[in-house]
Order: sequence, then C-alpha cells, then structure tokens
Amino acid sequence: DAGVIQSPRHEVTEMGQEVTLRCKPISGHDYLFWYRQTMMRGLELLIYFNNNVPIDDSGMPEDRFSAKMPNASFSTLKIQPSEPRDSAVYFCASSFREYSNQPQHFGDGTRLSIL
Amino acid sequence: EDQVTQSPEALRLQEGESSSLNCSYTVSGLRGLFWYRQDPGKGPEFLFTLYSAGEEKEKERLKATLTKKESFLHITAPKPEDSATYLCGGASNSGYALNFGKGTSLLVTP
Repeated sequence: DAGVIQSPRHEVTEMGQEVTLRCKPISGHDYLFWYRQTMMRGLELLIYFNNNVPIDDSGMPEDRFSAKMPNASFSTLKIQPSEPRDSAVYFCASSFREYSNQPQHFGDGTRLSIL
Repeated sequence: EDQVTQSPEALRLQEGESSSLNCSYTVSGLRGLFWYRQDPGKGPEFLFTLYSAGEEKEKERLKATLTKKESFLHITAPKPEDSATYLCGGASNSGYALNFGKGTSLLVTP
C-alpha cells in the first residue's frame, strides 16, 4: 500500500513568491495533519482535517498560510507571500479514525527554502 | 500548557552499548504517548504507543516504558542501523494535537 505522498520534495523560491505544497494521504484515512519541522522549534502541528473539514488551525502561524482539502485524497498548504523565516521541512501525515488509537503515518516531507 | 521534553539532545554509543532515551511530559489528561524514529531526509516512522503508566512495549532491540511523568526508550545492544533521531509526542484528551519533543539524535558506531 502506498504511503503518504508529498510533492514537491524540495522547493527553492524567492521571498514574496507563492508556494504550494501538496499531499496525498493514505487511502481510507480520514484524518490529515500538516506539520512543520525546524531545528529551533522541532515538529509543530499547523492544522488538521477530519473528513476533509478543517478542525483545528490554531497552529497556523499567520494569515499568509492557508490549507485546503477539496477531497479525501488531496490536500494543499499554501504560503502567500513567502518569507525566509518560512524555510523548514513541511510534513503531511494521515491516520484512520481517532488517532490516539491509530498512529499517524508521515510522508517524507517537502524541504522549503525561501531566499 | 502541554509540554514534551526529550533528553539527551544527542547520544553517541558504541555498537552493543545499551542505553536509554528520556521523554518527560506534562500533558493534561494524557491519551497516548507516541514514539517515532526519523531517518535523515525521511518522515517520522511510528514505533510505539503507550497509554497508561506501567505499560511496556518491545520491538527488536527497543523497549518503551511509561510512568506518570516520563517515558523511556531503552535500546539494548544497539547496532549502527539504529542510528536515527527518536521523537516522542503526547496526545491529550482536550484535542487531537500531538505535542512532539525536539528529539534525541542517536549515533551508534561500529
């Protein structure tokens, strides 16, 4: 079974540009999570969805960040305009039903560099 | 505020030299304590979930234990392929967010 698929794996862009990160969760999973990982702050939850509906976006750093899940097999995280401090590795994860009983499965991340 | 702290930040072991990694947590109404392994350039890979104090789980050379305030990941006779960053995360009853520690970077040398 294919795992969580993220694209692109690497993104380098200039400050002010729009960045779109993509995620395909594991088929049948009904929870989807977006995380950001940096050396300073570790792995932080940005937002999560249940059945395509955003449940908690309190971790989204500011209005420049937005996330959508138009269907059960696709989600995007958009940054507009991007800033150098957004440079990080962004992970998508999915799980089935209540994740406290089921582990979250992570993709291999998108390494984002904003120049 | 929920918090998860891991120690040490980095650990270097000789092959066969057993040791433990620590994860201290202050999570209100802990619903589960999760351990993950992360290799360079990869996403975290699930290892264990612990739900209540006294619980233990094992997988090959790894054993995870849980008390009311901390969790330990014991590594017995490690091999170089156990080198990775080990992350722990706590889930509370108040929501679905996983609070992760910053991880312990483990290097096992031959």
